[in-house]
Amino acid sequence: GAVVSQHPSWVICKSGTSVKIECRSLDFQATTMFWYRQFPKQSLMLMATSNEGSKATYEQGVEKDKFLINHASLTLSTLTVTSAHPEDSSFYICSAREPRGAKSYEQYFGPGTRLTVT
Amino acid sequence: KQEVTQIPAALSVPEGENLVLNCSFTDSAIYNLQWFRQDPGKGLTSLLLIQSSQREQTSGRLNASLDKSSGRSTLYIAASQPGDSATYLCAVDNAGNMLTFGGGTRLMVKP
Repeated sequence: GAVVSQHPSWVICKSGTSVKIECRSLDFQATTMFWYRQFPKQSLMLMATSNEGSKATYEQGVEKDKFLINHASLTLSTLTVTSAHPEDSSFYICSAREPRGAKSYEQYFGPGTRLTVT
Repeated sequence: KQEVTQIPAALSVPEGENLVLNCSFTDSAIYNLQWFRQDPGKGLTSLLLIQSSQREQTSGRLNASLDKSSGRSTLYIAASQPGDSATYLCAVDNAGNMLTFGGGTRLMVKP
């Protein structure tokens, strides 16, 4: 099956610094990638949809200037949390989808990145 | 706006029981529905994906059904084992655009 990786798997940073999280599709090309955030004991909430070569589409309530998304290639999307604060501490999960018309149109999920801001 | 609800929120059962987890959604115009498993602190493992034209999918001890018209799906787990303990998430794909997740069911299977 399709594999999606994330790096790092966990990161601790100081308040006010920026953190970059990478999401890679390892064995397929992903024209669309999604970024989710999950707080403890809660479900996944979609933050933004990232399309290769174009600007990301952010969900209501998600600050695009704080959560910078770049999808520069068909296998890599990055999420940068700028000027991180303790309330940004969360589990960030990405997913990737093959283009329409591909054999499987389902989303494949990465293992997640645990961000702790001190 | 699609809303997905999962009942129960938590479930604790003795080993060997057959289980039914429920998922309901408000907008029946879906592309597909997926069931995932999530272990604590881990990512998602896809269990079953049901296309909108299908009524059920089976994998081992797992069986998922879909009744699109009534906005319901069930995940049936046969002969539960302690290793099945995890959070089970239902997610609906609306017209191939985005997934909307339910709140999950936290399952504990006691030896």
